[in-house]
Amino acid sequence: AQRVTQPEKLLSVFKGAPVELKCNYSYSGSPELFWYVQYSRQRLQLLLRHISRESIKGFTADLNKGETSFHLKKPFAQEEDSAMYYCALARGDYKLSFGAGTTVTVRA
Amino acid sequence: GAVVSQHPSRVICKSGTSVKIECRSLDFQATTMFWYRQFPKQSLMLMATSNEGSKATYEQGVEKDKFLINHASLTLSTLTVTSAHPEDSSFYICSARVRLYPEQYFGPGTRLTVT
Repeated sequence: AQRVTQPEKLLSVFKGAPVELKCNYSYSGSPELFWYVQYSRQRLQLLLRHISRESIKGFTADLNKGETSFHLKKPFAQEEDSAMYYCALARGDYKLSFGAGTTVTVRA
Repeated sequence: GAVVSQHPSRVICKSGTSVKIECRSLDFQATTMFWYRQFPKQSLMLMATSNEGSKATYEQGVEKDKFLINHASLTLSTLTVTSAHPEDSSFYICSARVRLYPEQYFGPGTRLTVT
């Protein structure tokens, strides 16, 4: 069975400090992983796909199959990064299994 | 582009009644739509997958007779909560995707309260 684990429910960092959100997964097949973000009073939106290997809003995430991890990182957090972040794993037909989510607060 | 709307945004109904929630893709044709449920301070839980023109597939533990899903066109899927009870109170979110692309675009959600 597939499972996505985000061990931190809350993460608080100062503006300009690095931020890393942890995500571990278990899946028997070849995983496709995503990070979604939900800003206050807004809908869930896609932040990153591991296949794209891109940087969005300064965030990057690398898939580590050996450690079954897909941690999200940003070297210098900004106040506008305060949001709820979900790691998600796509199963067959792109059905998503979500982690529990991490609430990030960036303090001035 | 890729906007998904839901209607209504909030609904309050009495126990025993049915309520319908609409999910529309406004500027694209969605071959697949998904319905999720989210309890307070918890993650999204996939309830069912809806493909246009075919029957929805439900996740384990989700009652198909309780949560009726219809995907009549490439831009509209509906979720009907039948004979609602207070334990059905929740935040229901839909998403949509286009064939060959993995991204899901999410609606704003519908807050259902059953009294």
